[in-house]
Amino acid sequence: EVQLVESGGRAIRPGGSLRLSCAGSGFTFDDHGMSWVRQAPGKGLEWVSGINWKGDDTDYADSVKGRFIISRDNAKNSLSLQMSSLTADDTAFYYCARHSIYGSGSYFDHWGQGTLVTVSS
Amino acid sequence: QSVLTQPASVSGSPGQSITISCTGTTSDFVFYKFVSWYQKHPGTAPKLIIYEGAERPSGVSSRFSGSRSGSTASLTISGLQPEDEADYYCCSCSHYRNCVFGAGTKVTVL
Repeated sequence: EVQLVESGGRAIRPGGSLRLSCAGSGFTFDDHGMSWVRQAPGKGLEWVSGINWKGDDTDYADSVKGRFIISRDNAKNSLSLQMSSLTADDTAFYYCARHSIYGSGSYFDHWGQGTLVTVSS
Repeated sequence: QSVLTQPASVSGSPGQSITISCTGTTSDFVFYKFVSWYQKHPGTAPKLIIYEGAERPSGVSSRFSGSRSGSTASLTISGLQPEDEADYYCCSCSHYRNCVFGAGTKVTVL
C-alpha cells in the first residue's frame, strides 16, 4: 500500500524557518516526481513546489519562490520542504503528493494526510 | 501559466446529475489532455477521482465521469448521493512543473 506521511508542521513566528518532511513507503520512491500542495484555512488547494524523480530539477509557485526549497533523499524515501521568511499567508495544511506522469502531463495519484503550519505572532 | 476557472458552487438533489466546468485561459496542449479532478472533504486529504481528462482510478465510483469540449473540461456526477457533498478541484500539471489548481467548486446535496 502506498503511504505518504508528512511531519514537521507546528506554530511558528513570522519571519521564522521550518522544515517539513514526507516519508514515502509501499512504492519505488525514485520512480516518481513529488510535490507539496497546501490549503490555507477556508481557501482552495495551491500547488507549492515540485521535484523530479532524481532531485535535480525543481519548480516553485511564484508565492514561495526564493523562500522555499524542495529536496529529496531517495536513499531514505524522503521528501522535504525547507521554508524560510514565513508569513501569515503561509499558514496552511501542507500535503505531500506523488505524481504519476502520462505524456507531457501528470496527476497526483496519492496524497499524505497533511501537516499543519501556523504562522502567528 | 494558465488559470483554471471553476464555478464557486453547484447543487443538486439526491439522484440528480450535476456538472462542474473547468475552463482554461491558455491554448497549452497540456491543459486539454491532462486535466485531473480531486474530491476533498473537510479534514481529509484530497482524493484523485479523474485523470487524463476522463480516466477513473480503480475504486472510484462510475458515477464520476470526465470530459472535454474546446477549452473546457468537465466533471459530471451522476446519481448524486449525500456523500458526494464536498469540494472539487480541477488541476493541470506539466510533469512536476507548473501545476495549477482551479479555485474549487463546493457541491451541495440538497
